[in-house]
Amino acid sequence: NAGVTQTPKFQVLKTGQSMTLQCAQDMNHEYMSWYRQDPGMGLRLIHYSVGAGITDQGEVPNGYNVSRSTTEDFPLRLLSAAPSQTSVYFCASSDPGTFSTFGSGTRLTVV
Amino acid sequence: GQNIDQPTEMTATEGAIVQINCTYQTSGFNGLFWYQQHAGEAPTFLSYNVLDGLEEKGRISSFLSRSKGYSYLLLKELQMKDSASYLCAVREGGATNKLIFGTGTLLAVQP
Repeated sequence: NAGVTQTPKFQVLKTGQSMTLQCAQDMNHEYMSWYRQDPGMGLRLIHYSVGAGITDQGEVPNGYNVSRSTTEDFPLRLLSAAPSQTSVYFCASSDPGTFSTFGSGTRLTVV
Repeated sequence: GQNIDQPTEMTATEGAIVQINCTYQTSGFNGLFWYQQHAGEAPTFLSYNVLDGLEEKGRISSFLSRSKGYSYLLLKELQMKDSASYLCAVREGGATNKLIFGTGTLLAVQP
């Protein structure tokens, strides 16, 4: 039982490049979400999904896209990377009314 | 608006008890979570309150007063490994399972 798996663990991008952060969970959880964590700002919600085929925006969605074609996978796409997107990104999953389980994070640097 | 406040840093002594406070003002409320996060790692679930009162689990207790918008996390018999950030998070009402996080409290346990 792997829980929530994020890849890659580290990534360096040049400004303007695009990439996809992968997130997969094997707990059959309905809810999945993406957060970014910046020093002094805590975890902020980017996008979330309440089930396959359903996604919605969180607090800081600009510059990011998501899709949820299966229950297991919830990739986060950076369309055109900017230095302001340098952060640590966490994916999380949960069932209704339960606590969220987090992946180990992706540390992204945009230069 | 959404606002969750925690002290930025705290220091405590090995073997002692520490109380970490959290106050919140959110548009909806469907439970309050405490997470522990060691440096460079993912947040891990510690405790959850949805009704007023105290929840106890081993060395960890958490208290909630919904009328005051207040919670605390109590850690007893502190160990060096308890040095970490402690995150307070409020789950909004409705069917989304969305979490709003405070900025976290960095706890340093000294010998």
